[in-house]
Amino acid sequence: AQSVAQPEDQVNVAEGNPLTVKCTYSVSGNPYLFWYVQYPNRGLQFLLKYITGDNLVKGSYGFEAEFNKSQTSFHLKKPSALVSDSALYFCAVRDRTDKLIFGTGTRLQVFP
Amino acid sequence: EAGVVQSPRYKIIEKKQPVAFWCNPISGHNTLYWYRQNLGQGPELLIRYENEEAVDDSQLPKDRFSAERLKGVDSTLKIQPAELGDSAVYLCASSSSHWGASTDTQYFGPGTRLTVL
Repeated sequence: AQSVAQPEDQVNVAEGNPLTVKCTYSVSGNPYLFWYVQYPNRGLQFLLKYITGDNLVKGSYGFEAEFNKSQTSFHLKKPSALVSDSALYFCAVRDRTDKLIFGTGTRLQVFP
Repeated sequence: EAGVVQSPRYKIIEKKQPVAFWCNPISGHNTLYWYRQNLGQGPELLIRYENEEAVDDSQLPKDRFSAERLKGVDSTLKIQPAELGDSAVYLCASSSSHWGASTDTQYFGPGTRLTVL
């Protein structure tokens, strides 16, 4: 069965520093991977996705993610964090029936 | 372009009462999803529609939950009767995908936060 794991419940980073939010996946076949962000009392906003091609995927708000097949990882990154990036981040994988399987989420806290 | 619209945004009811949630997908999106997000967890799919057909309702508790998507656009999700454990955020999403051959992105609405007392 398809699954994703987000090993960190919370990530703390100082404003201006680079950030990484980790995600590992388990799929049969080619993975379709997604990152979403959720702000308080808001729905999920799409950040980026990996379908095929270049392992480095660029998305919204300066975020990017690196697909690593050998390590089955899809970590979310940003070179310079902003306080406004503080939110809940979800990694997801699409299964064969088009259903998104979400991780448990990682709360990112960026301190001024 | 308008996003996915959901109403109401918040609903508080007593257990055993009925409740309904409404969703209007992004214009032109033929596929609609209802997810439930429990506190501290990621969303989980309840039901998926392609046009007006429910193509995956395997996770929908059919004894108390029902959904419809008349005319293949708007959708309504109903719970009757509600139980305490139904307290969660109910998210609607849409995409322009087709069965078994999709790489399209699902776009989510703001959700309805249900509290059952």
